[in-house]
Order: sequence, then C-alpha cells, then structure tokens
Amino acid sequence: SQQGEEDPQALSIQEGENATMNCSYKTSINNLQWYRQNSGRGLVHLILIRSNEREKHSGRLRVTLDTSKKSSSLLITASRAADTASYFCATDGGGFKTIFGAGTRLFVKA
Amino acid sequence: GAVVSQHPSRVICKSGTSVKIECRSLDFQATTMFWYRQFPKKSLMLMATSNEGSKATYEQGVEKDKFLINHASLTLSTLTVTSAHPEDSSFYICSATGTSGRINEQFFGPGTRLTVL
Repeated sequence: SQQGEEDPQALSIQEGENATMNCSYKTSINNLQWYRQNSGRGLVHLILIRSNEREKHSGRLRVTLDTSKKSSSLLITASRAADTASYFCATDGGGFKTIFGAGTRLFVKA
Repeated sequence: GAVVSQHPSRVICKSGTSVKIECRSLDFQATTMFWYRQFPKKSLMLMATSNEGSKATYEQGVEKDKFLINHASLTLSTLTVTSAHPEDSSFYICSATGTSGRINEQFFGPGTRLTVL
C-alpha cells in the first residue's frame, strides 16, 4: 500500500482540550512531515521532523518521531474550533516521493 | 514560502471530453512536479512524478494514456484527463519541488475539483 496508517481516523474533542494523532509508516525515511487540510482545500505544511530528531515544537504543535517503531505523533494543545481539519503525515520513503498517511479528521467543538 | 497555483480551481465536464489542469510554480523553478488525486474523505494518492523535459513516471495502477502529463518548462506542468468518465471525478492536487539546503521542500497547489457528468 502506498499509504501509512494513521489513528484515530476521526477525533472529536472540546475546545481547549489537547488532540493527539498518530502515524505509522512502513519504510525508512529521511524526514516526516505533517500537513493540515481544510475541507475541499489544498494542503498547509505544518512541520517537518528529520529522521535524526525525536521531538519538535512549533507554537501549539508538538511532533514526536520514533524511527525504531516507525511512528510519529502530532499533538495540538489547547485546541480551537479553527483547528477543525484533516491532518496527514507524509514521509519521503527514504527517497524523493512524498507518501501520505490515511489522515485523521479532527473536529473541535466550540 | 513558495507559491504554487492551479488552474482551474474547479471544472465540470461531460463524460467523454478531455480536461486539462495546469500547475504553475510562481516564484521558483520547479525541477520536479507531482500529481495527486484525492477522493472525498480520503488521503492523497500519488499519481505520477514529472521532471521538466522528460517523460513522467507513473505510479502502479495509473493509466498513462488516461492521465497525460506534460512538464514543458520549469514553472509549468499540465495534467490532461482524457475521455473523462464519472469515476474520474476527484480532487487533483499538484506539488512542486526545488531544493532548499539538503532537504527538498515540496509546495502544494490549492487543488482542482473535477466533476464529470
């Protein structure tokens, strides 16, 4: 399969709560990226973490990477209704192509 | 960041017609462009990789005669859906990459929604 797995597939939380999304992939990677997509829109790049990094922060986002388990997580703290979107992880598969995970649909209730 | 545009943003066509979608890198030269399709509530599936001046490389299961890709310049790639059928209705997204340091950065277009009647 071209895609990795993400869980949960869908997540519904209250505003102010934290949201955690997980991603697993299949091959060795050079880097892993997280993207956000609002319904029917293009992708917004959130954060890139390299294979030799274990954790990275950007504002309310925290990404971890465990290459031994071939997994990554995205944590959004103090979520807002505007965070409602689909979130995808993407890897380079050790090469040049970008391979997307199945995505998590996050719904933040106001 | 760099800007990638797509045109049109949405198109409706009749079954059997061909539709061309353009992907342009506006402020950088794109050595490689990628084409993805996305079904509702699904992830992006890579269709093909195109390098300027050479033939596109298609992913397994993607019909190259159905989805014609031309990358004529370093700022423009086109995807033509030939003899479109309703099952070709989808969201098509392109991305373009140049190089930045040691990591190739990929910049995504806003997508084109194709509806085939």
